[in-house]
Amino acid sequence: NAGVTQTPKFQVLKTGQSMTLQCAQDMNHNSMYWYRQDPGMGLRLIYYSASEGTTDKGEVPNGYNVSRLNKREFSLRLESAAPSQTSVYFCASKGQGAVGYTFGSGTRLTVV
Amino acid sequence: SQQGEEDPQALSIQEGENATMNCSYKTSINNLQWYRQNSGRGLVHLILIRSNEREKHSGRLRVTLDTSKKSSSLLITASRAADTASYFCATDMTTDSWGKLQFGAGTQVVVTP
Repeated sequence: NAGVTQTPKFQVLKTGQSMTLQCAQDMNHNSMYWYRQDPGMGLRLIYYSASEGTTDKGEVPNGYNVSRLNKREFSLRLESAAPSQTSVYFCASKGQGAVGYTFGSGTRLTVV
Repeated sequence: SQQGEEDPQALSIQEGENATMNCSYKTSINNLQWYRQNSGRGLVHLILIRSNEREKHSGRLRVTLDTSKKSSSLLITASRAADTASYFCATDMTTDSWGKLQFGAGTQVVVTP
């Protein structure tokens, strides 16, 4: 089915470890986004990519890096994981002229 | 700080009743969107209302927007158990085609049979 695919779905990291969250969309969307969702706080924008070749910081970028590998793929990297990064991470995409975002099913990350 | 704030935080109703939730925001917007999130899943786009619109309908959903009060409401009529979910408002302050949404903390709705 067309949509946004995130991997992995679950991950447990030790403090200081690194990892990359993968996101791919097959809808030919120009724009892609990474959000984190914490209880009682809604979703907060980490980074976004308005179009292939561009990335920009969102509301909470510290501790994260991103790569827009091509039009389909937008990855989020944690270089040195901290317990404060325990969260559910969502990738989303939007096509030009589209009404709303299309979200992936999320990655539940726990940092111990 | 969050742009959108939903009220109430939680809502429990019976099937067939209407569910109303509100969203207030702080700064001027280009559009406001509502999303639904079922437990453990991603968000699903429900409806978008632009800043020059006052009311919009989609099936059993009715959205209003009052830019003078910086508030919006989402009404779900004749609710069903399948409407049990969290509902989020999101504001887009940009006029760019790619947008950049800010989400509120959500309203958790439970519909009991």
